[in-house]
Amino acid sequence: NAGVTQTPKFRVLKTGQSMTLLCAQDMNHEYMYWYRQDPGMGLRLIHYSVGEGTTAKGEVPDGYNVSRLKKQNFLLGLESAAPSQTSVYFCASSLGGTQYFGPGTRLLVL
Amino acid sequence: AQTVTQSQPEMSVQEAETVTLSCTYDTSESDYYLFWYKQPPSRQMILVIRQEAYKQQNATENRFSVNFQKAAKSFSLKISDSQLGDAAMYFCALPANAGGTSYGKLTFGQGTILTVHP
Repeated sequence: NAGVTQTPKFRVLKTGQSMTLLCAQDMNHEYMYWYRQDPGMGLRLIHYSVGEGTTAKGEVPDGYNVSRLKKQNFLLGLESAAPSQTSVYFCASSLGGTQYFGPGTRLLVL
Repeated sequence: AQTVTQSQPEMSVQEAETVTLSCTYDTSESDYYLFWYKQPPSRQMILVIRQEAYKQQNATENRFSVNFQKAAKSFSLKISDSQLGDAAMYFCALPANAGGTSYGKLTFGQGTILTVHP
């Protein structure tokens, strides 16, 4: 039982490049979330999903897109990366109560 | 909108002593969960303790306990017999529910860095 996993662990991008972050969970959770964490701050919600095929915007959705084609996977995409998107990205899943987090992806945009 | 405030950016404690981390929040909901998460240098977010707002009894998990004051909207975390492994950033979190179903979304405080001195 791996819990919540994230791929990749670390990535460096140049401004304007695109990439996709993958989150996978094996707990059969309905809800999944993407957060970003910037230095000295708590986590802020980017997008979330309440089930396969559904997505919704969180607190800071601009510049990101998401997809939930399969219940166990939640993808976060950056179409044209900007330096302001340098951050640590966390994925989480839940049944509506306690959230379980992945290990994080550190993204550096130059 | 929900707000979560942790007014102590940094705290320190001697090993084996007790420390209390503060959290205040604002919500219009009457039934909700509150959480404390721990983030060690590995960056992994680890659930420390959970409190259900309708329960008057304060939650306890081994050396960790909370002081939940619903009317004052206060949710502090007490760590007893502090250990070196407790050193981490601690976040208070509240479901981001502005009415209706929150779908488990969380609003986090700014975090408190806890240093444990041997």
